[in-house]
Order: sequence, then structure tokens, then C-alpha cells
Amino acid sequence: QQQVKQSPQSLIVQKGGISIINCAYENTAFDYFPWYQQFPGKGPALLIAIRPDVSEKKEGRFTISFNKSAKQFSLHIMDSQPGDSATYFCAASGSGTYKYIFGTGTRLKVLA
Amino acid sequence: SAVISQKPSRDICQRGTSLTIQCQVDSQVTMMFWYRQQPGQSLTLIATANQGSEATYESGFVIDKFPISRPNLTFSTLTVSNMSPEDSSIYLCSVRTGLNYGYTFGSGTRLTVV
Repeated sequence: QQQVKQSPQSLIVQKGGISIINCAYENTAFDYFPWYQQFPGKGPALLIAIRPDVSEKKEGRFTISFNKSAKQFSLHIMDSQPGDSATYFCAASGSGTYKYIFGTGTRLKVLA
Repeated sequence: SAVISQKPSRDICQRGTSLTIQCQVDSQVTMMFWYRQQPGQSLTLIATANQGSEATYESGFVIDKFPISRPNLTFSTLTVSNMSPEDSSIYLCSVRTGLNYGYTFGSGTRLTVV
């Protein structure tokens, strides 16, 4: 119940295309769902996050879609650029807790 | 968000030795976290470090192997003791400034044990 399943493990997208990464969770107590972006040699950086009271959140080219009934959420990167090439982690956190459960990561490569 | 300085950024160590990793934050934080990221893997929480109290370790991690110090609200150290090649990982320091904020991570320490 504490797992967050992330797919795909790796993704190759053409420049200008849409990158989609999916995550699924079991624990209905989770109420905060962030996405992190990690470049080689760097620590993960918070990209965007959502709470389950909304179904979608958009920040620039990055959108989180959230399906509470299906217990799934996804990251969409519109107009993907080579600079978006990185590893992306989804995570989930429960109400009142500081602990995150991270997904297994998706290595994205955007071809120029 | 907080700015975290972590050092060393990388090290190559002999098995059986110990390495201490330092984490400095530019603001006072109650809780600091230490994560391990094995090659190509996700992030695993090692322990939570509160100032003035013993660190709280996650299942699979013990104080004898990963002693942590937290002498004040801006600094912490993680020691990887009696290292073996299986300890080769990236070790990350992190802080969270409140329940509504995401974690901020340091750049990590890439440890290779030979």
C-alpha cells in the first residue's frame, strides 16, 4: 500500500512532442503528489505538485493530471525540448506526514 | 526555498573505511533528511534528523552503520561506516520547510567504494 508505481522506465520523445509519465498509488491517505526533475550530477528539484482536490494543474509546459477514483496521476510535458532530458520522479505524501514515497523514476530523452 | 550545500560532491573510498558527508542549509530548519539513491534507482529515506535529538532511522538502516549528527538548525552530517562496495550510491541531504512545501535537495555526494 505504500508503493508508488511509475511508468515507463524510460522514454524517448522527438523535440516538440508530448512526454507523458504515469504514476499509480494504493494508499488513499496520500494527499500531496509532487513531481521532481533530476539532471545528472544534481539533486532532484521540485517541478510541480498537486493535491487531490483538483484534477489538473498546469505550470508552463508542465501539467499534472490527477484521477482520484483511479488513484493515478500523470505528468505531461508539452512541446518537449532537449533541455527537458532528465530523470523524473513522482512521489506521494500522506496527510500530516513529512515522508515521501518516491516512484522508481523515468529517464526522459528528448531528441533534437 | 532553502539552499543546501553538500560536501564532498564525490569521493572514492576504500572498503572498511568511513566517510562523513556534510550538509549546510542557508536557513534554520527543524527537520533534515538523508536519502540514498543507488545507481539508476529511486530515492530511499535513510533517516530523519531533528536538532537536539537522536535521528530516526527507516527500516533497513541502523545507527551503527549510518550515524548522524545534528548540532544545530542549519547543519547535519551523515557518516557511512565500515564501507563496502554495496554502499556505493548517491547520498542526498534534504529539507522540507513545511507540510505544504516540497523537499529541497542538495546536489548529493556520489560515493564509490572500491
